[in-house]
Amino acid sequence: AQKITQTQPGMFVQEKEAVTLDCTYDTSDQSYGLFWYKQPSSGEMIFLIYQGSYDEQNATEGRYSLNFQKARKSANLVISASQLGDSAMYFCAMDGGGSQGNLIFGKGTKLSVKP
Amino acid sequence: GAVVSQHPSWVICKSGTSVKIECRSLDFQATTMFWYRQFPKQSLMLMATSNEGSKATYEQGVEKDKFLINHASLTLSTLTVTSAHPEDSSFYICSAQRPRYEQYFGPGTRLTVT
Repeated sequence: AQKITQTQPGMFVQEKEAVTLDCTYDTSDQSYGLFWYKQPSSGEMIFLIYQGSYDEQNATEGRYSLNFQKARKSANLVISASQLGDSAMYFCAMDGGGSQGNLIFGKGTKLSVKP
Repeated sequence: GAVVSQHPSWVICKSGTSVKIECRSLDFQATTMFWYRQFPKQSLMLMATSNEGSKATYEQGVEKDKFLINHASLTLSTLTVTSAHPEDSSFYICSAQRPRYEQYFGPGTRLTVT
């Protein structure tokens, strides 16, 4: 069964600095997808970035990049030049296998950006 | 990006009553929608997979007679919490899936049962 582990319950970062949020996963599937979502206090889940297991290059989306290390089964999110608006919960997720496409989420990391 | 709406965004109901939550994909057709539940300071847990035109698939431990799901069209899925109790108070989030991997989430519905 798939499993996502986020070991950092909370993180602090200074505004304009970079921060890395850790995520490790476990799966027996050969083909899978990894996602990062941001959840501000409003509750909405905001899609940030996606990495396919067969993608050779690390995914990047603006200030977000995914440090994908397949052998280590890690998919860390790197946020560059942190902004105050980045303060939120961040969830790592992977697709649940099969053809349905549901997501399995980690427990999340609460990021706080300090001015 | 694609838009998924949920209605209502916030509801308070009395114990024993039923509450219906709607999830709509506004600009694409979704043959599959998912319903998640999130308790305070916890992660999202999948409740069920809603397929258009067929019965929903429930995750282990989720009572299908209590959480009724109807996927009546390619743009609408509804979750009805029947005979709600205080322990059903939670944040309910739906998502709709497009081809490939994109999954778009609704803004969520906060349910409080008194």
